[in-house]
Amino acid sequence: EAQVTQNPRYLITVTGKKLTVTCSQNMNHEYMSWYRQDPGLGLRQIYYSMNVEVTDKGDVPEGYKVSRKEKRNFPLILESPSPNQTSLYFCASSLYGTSGYNEQFFGPGTRLTVL
Amino acid sequence: GQNIDQPTEMTATEGAIVQINCTYQTSGFNGLFWYQQHAGEAPTFLSYNVLDGLEEKGRFSSFLSRSKGYSYLLLKELQMKDSASYLCAVNLNDYKLSFGAGTTVTVRA
Repeated sequence: EAQVTQNPRYLITVTGKKLTVTCSQNMNHEYMSWYRQDPGLGLRQIYYSMNVEVTDKGDVPEGYKVSRKEKRNFPLILESPSPNQTSLYFCASSLYGTSGYNEQFFGPGTRLTVL
Repeated sequence: GQNIDQPTEMTATEGAIVQINCTYQTSGFNGLFWYQQHAGEAPTFLSYNVLDGLEEKGRFSSFLSRSKGYSYLLLKELQMKDSASYLCAVNLNDYKLSFGAGTTVTVRA
């Protein structure tokens, strides 16, 4: 089944404790992206990757890191999480980017709470 | 920054029609998407407009006017399962999407 998976789905952690949220897709998509969703603010793009070893900042990259060493995986790293990073995180992928009829396929989401 | 506005909430009756408006002022424009998101779930694709006019897909239609910076999503013959948030997203370039805050639609029996 074609899908985007994220792990963990739920995470409660404490300030400063490094964490990684994994994202994997099995559709051979070149483009992957991370979003956070907060009430009243909608989805905001954190980082995106056009292909292996090619990444760029979205609108809210501060406090996050990413890497794209393999086409299928795009982990999101929080080196020193803070309470303002408490949010619902979505990973998405598409064939070539966001233009044209490049439908974004979203993962199920990761609900992160930083105490 | 990007400015994408849509109403926060709308309520309608089962079987009725609801129109969700989206206005945008953005640094770039390469098309507009509508996504549906049920509570606690991932967004799913509904429609994409890049040229002016109406695109129809079953009970859902989406309209775009680039000169007015305006789009709407029309939901006909509303069903209870249509209760969800509807997200308007502007494609800024080949790699960046900017989303509105979403419109929560509640369908009442």
